[in-house]
Amino acid sequence: GESVGLHLPTLSVQEGDNSIINCAYSNSASDYFIWYKQESGKGPQFIIDIRSNMDKRQGQRVTVLLNKTVKHLSLQIAATQPGDSAVYFCAESTGGYSTLTFGKGTMLLVSP
Amino acid sequence: GAVVSQHPSRVICKSGTSVKIECRSLDFQATTMFWYRQFPKQSLMLMATSNEGSKATYEQGVEKDKFLINHASLTLSTLTVTSAHPEDSSFYICSAGDFQSSADTQYFGPGTRLTVL
Repeated sequence: GESVGLHLPTLSVQEGDNSIINCAYSNSASDYFIWYKQESGKGPQFIIDIRSNMDKRQGQRVTVLLNKTVKHLSLQIAATQPGDSAVYFCAESTGGYSTLTFGKGTMLLVSP
Repeated sequence: GAVVSQHPSRVICKSGTSVKIECRSLDFQATTMFWYRQFPKQSLMLMATSNEGSKATYEQGVEKDKFLINHASLTLSTLTVTSAHPEDSSFYICSAGDFQSSADTQYFGPGTRLTVL
């Protein structure tokens, strides 16, 4: 099901640190997962995705890990920068044009 | 590529009036677009799925007569909030799928901030 929270979990890190943002999903039938970044007052921005036949995928400074056994998804950001400060959402779907279900989001605060 | 725009970015209206929000895919054709609303410090909640040339599919609890959706072309979907009330004030975001590259990936518009007085 969906997770919609009234209070966003917050992760505070120093510039240059590595950040890890976690997400638990609930639908065992989900086979496509996406991480989005949302800055204040803007729409979500695609970061990276992964399909269920993989357990790791790397992009530029970002890595997504998928553990289907415990239904857990994580986003790792290397050498975090102040510009990475935003709310990060994971989303899951059963692929194709099926709907996305969003997690509740994590606010990442990067201090210089 | 895969750019989605929304218009207007902000709108303030009086209670009882109707407001139309446009969602456009600028560099790709989108047979399916999605409409979300987002309250402060909360996640995105799917309102409806908009399919080109057919009726929209609404999520449970979303009034289809209040939130009218039209998807008349492969690049444009509109959401009309009819007889808006203060509780309709929210951030409305659309997304579209780029079927030419990855059918699974949704790209989001910048959102429309609706304030109903």
